[in-house]
Amino acid sequence: DIVLTQSPALAVSLEQRATISCKTSQNVDNYGISYMHWYQQKPGQQPKLLIYEGSNLASGIPARFSGSGSGTDFTLTIDPVEADDIATYYCQQSKDYPYTFGAGTKLELK
Amino acid sequence: EVKLVESGGGLVQPGRSLKLSCAASGFSFNDYWMGWVRQAPGKGLEWIGEINQDSSTINYTPSLKDKFTISRDNAQNTLYLQMSKLGSEDTAIYYCAREGWYLSAYVMDAWGQGASVTVSS
Repeated sequence: DIVLTQSPALAVSLEQRATISCKTSQNVDNYGISYMHWYQQKPGQQPKLLIYEGSNLASGIPARFSGSGSGTDFTLTIDPVEADDIATYYCQQSKDYPYTFGAGTKLELK
Repeated sequence: EVKLVESGGGLVQPGRSLKLSCAASGFSFNDYWMGWVRQAPGKGLEWIGEINQDSSTINYTPSLKDKFTISRDNAQNTLYLQMSKLGSEDTAIYYCAREGWYLSAYVMDAWGQGASVTVSS
């Protein structure tokens, strides 16, 4: 299985930039497409799609969210961070079965 | 509005079975792959599996393949998850998700609110 590694938590101040990383145990690119997606989950709620295929913003997601990276190293950036962004963020790969998620990064306020 | 509503969760004894349902509305259900993801208390997300539009292809995470069965009824716009031989490790919130086709990949772009399953005697 492809293992996705995320830092457990990140403390950030409002209106600053948050950078959340996700490293994969194998390359999740194929023919120039990154099979890496990002989700936001707030306490007591279901996950919500933020970014698909590495860098594409999902419908209705604010432009302060962006995704980058390729191969085995990916980043979700939130700039600037707003109070509503306090949540846990998960990366997920769909390059190979079984699909796998990172353990999540909890974004906290400094 | 896309809506996914899970039902059938609850308290179940170890070793027993349980079947979850996910009622879909607001989109053409039979045009989409559908999947299940679970989340143990205080833990991260775990992909369970997915099913294609006509049920001809079903993929599972290997560790759950012998315990869980995914199915769907397109006439009823409903996705199912049959769970057997349940143990305490299966205590979790179970989410159904729609898989939309985006550029070159299927992506879980809509999620239900989840069904809580507790396995305990």
